[in-house]
Amino acid sequence: NAGVTQTPKFQVLKTGQSMTLQCAQDMNHEYMSWYRQDPGMGLRLIHYSVGAGITDQGEVPNGYNVSRSTTEDFPLRLLSAAPSQTSVYFCASSYSLSGWSYEQYFGPGTRLTVT
Amino acid sequence: TQLLEQSPQFLSIQEGENLTVYCNSSSVFSSLQWYRQEPGEGPVLLVTVVTGGEVKKLKRLTFQFGDARKDSSLHITAAQPGDTGLYLCAGMNSGGSNYKLTFGKGTLLTVNP
Repeated sequence: NAGVTQTPKFQVLKTGQSMTLQCAQDMNHEYMSWYRQDPGMGLRLIHYSVGAGITDQGEVPNGYNVSRSTTEDFPLRLLSAAPSQTSVYFCASSYSLSGWSYEQYFGPGTRLTVT
Repeated sequence: TQLLEQSPQFLSIQEGENLTVYCNSSSVFSSLQWYRQEPGEGPVLLVTVVTGGEVKKLKRLTFQFGDARKDSSLHITAAQPGDTGLYLCAGMNSGGSNYKLTFGKGTLLTVNP
């Protein structure tokens, strides 16, 4: 299994450009999430999905869209890039051990710079 | 918003020393996880603790969940350079079907040879 894969690994955008960060998992996990990681801020949840066709907002959703048409794929779209979206983006997939615990498997990340 | 405070934020020690990292909150969590992240990579899950007072050991790492399920600690015995990394705790909200994890800001550990 490849686990969670993310593309691209690095990306530079100009302010106002749009782009899609790709995320795929081959573990048949039901749950998928997008996080951003900024220095001194830890990991913050952007959007998440509890199954195909179902998405919801996390802590910092503004400026981002997601969709989940298949179990495997969970792309993150930046609608109009801003310098404040410069960050490292991580996609994660998860399954439920029980009703109380969801262990997350993270991708290698996409480092995005917006100039 | 539930917050997780990690301390210390930075820790630099010599090989062979022991250390403890703390993760504290005023909120109750149904479960708590610890991750380690190395530069340029995504976090990797180390352990999940679910029961108040639970202690789990992973080789030289000992994880404890507080009795009230509001705090946790990670103790490393005889640290090695390979333990270097960012240690993150993450809590799952208590009750309901809330899947979202809340992450602490992390403890950056450097173990010098």
